[in-house]
Amino acid sequence: GENVEQHPSTLSVQEGDSAVIKCTYSDSASNYFPWYKQELGKGPQLIIDIRSNVGEKKDQRIAVTLNKTAKHFSLHITETQPEDSAVYFCAASTGYSTLTFGKGTMLLVSP
Amino acid sequence: GAVVSQHPSRVICKSGTSVKIECRSLDFQATTMFWYRQFPKQSLMLMATSNEGSKATYEQGVEKDKFLINHASLTLSTLTVTSAHPEDSSFYICSASVPDPRDEKLFFGSGTQLSVL
Repeated sequence: GENVEQHPSTLSVQEGDSAVIKCTYSDSASNYFPWYKQELGKGPQLIIDIRSNVGEKKDQRIAVTLNKTAKHFSLHITETQPEDSAVYFCAASTGYSTLTFGKGTMLLVSP
Repeated sequence: GAVVSQHPSRVICKSGTSVKIECRSLDFQATTMFWYRQFPKQSLMLMATSNEGSKATYEQGVEKDKFLINHASLTLSTLTVTSAHPEDSSFYICSASVPDPRDEKLFFGSGTQLSVL
């Protein structure tokens, strides 16, 4: 089955800096890659996603890049703010909503 | 994005009792919903896939008699933890996908923190 590796497990940045979280996947048939933000005690919130026919997608301060050949995708957050502090999960899917999640990255943005 | 409502957000119960958690899709119909379990500082673990009008599909190692799932309508799925024990204490999260074949996305509920005393 699919295996998703996510790095780093923790990431501390200063407010205004950029943050990058990287994930690799094992199944070349995966074609959907969402990113979720989870705040303490809450459910994951979909923040951005990308499909295998696209190499990059951007939404304001958030962007995701996908390298199908290398089987890795990354989340980029620019101009980080304290409210960006949360746990971020990447995921990969080969079909109908069957997501395999990474282990998560705890992002801490210090004022 | 689409809204998935989960209730209750927190429940404390005595060992041996059963607890029901509800998951509703508020602004769309969900033929399929998913139930996850999450331990502190860990990732989400898929427990089962809930299909409207049919039996749920459980992941390997998940006891179907312990975690009863009912998906009676296109907007409601319930998870009942039967005869709960302290080891069942966890954060349970449901999710549902918007059934657009061109742009399918999975949205999550707010989660239920179950504490079994």
